[in-house]
Amino acid sequence: DQQVKQNSPSLSVQEGRISILNCDYTNSMFDYFLWYKKYPAEGPTFLISISSIKDKNEDGRFTVFLNKSAKHLSLHIVPSQPGDSAVYFCAATTTGTASKLTFGTGTRLQVTL
Amino acid sequence: KAGVTQTPRYLIKTRGQQVTLSCSPISGHRSVSWYQQTPGQGLQFLFEYFSETQRNKGNFPGRFSGRQFSNSRSEMNVSTLELGDSALYLCASSRGYTDTQYFGPGTRLTVL
Repeated sequence: DQQVKQNSPSLSVQEGRISILNCDYTNSMFDYFLWYKKYPAEGPTFLISISSIKDKNEDGRFTVFLNKSAKHLSLHIVPSQPGDSAVYFCAATTTGTASKLTFGTGTRLQVTL
Repeated sequence: KAGVTQTPRYLIKTRGQQVTLSCSPISGHRSVSWYQQTPGQGLQFLFEYFSETQRNKGNFPGRFSGRQFSNSRSEMNVSTLELGDSALYLCASSRGYTDTQYFGPGTRLTVL
């Protein structure tokens, strides 16, 4: 049972444009969400997180939006840069057990020149 | 501040053998979690240790075990290796078990 889903395995975006990566979850107990970026042969790198008490969180070029009623979150990268090309994982957890993350299957982002 | 380190980075074993992987968390971090990444199953939670105690465990067979030492370093052990255990094993540390986790580079285990 996939509790966190990233339905787009890949996404290609031109440099300078907006990248939007989507994530859906089914477990209503999840109340803390994170995005990680992963390059081949490296561990995931933490990007940004959001608590369920918020619907938006920004950090530089990265913004995460949370729609609790739809159980949907998205990561916006503006503007996209070639160095952003990587696999992006959405992860979810419950407050108090933040060390047990449930990950989505990942979306491979390719930023082209 | 140094990041999470994992040793070894690469390992080749044969079926039936056992293996021990090591993880050194970021200084000051007391929680260590382990994950398995495979092409078919993605990133899956194995277990988490905090102050030398296992707090959470994922849905893996008993062949997978771990421990944490008083300096927060952690080891995971897989006994009686199977071909399906071939994976990237990732360790993540956090200050406490409610804090953001930071991952190490992983150990790539190949079982022949």
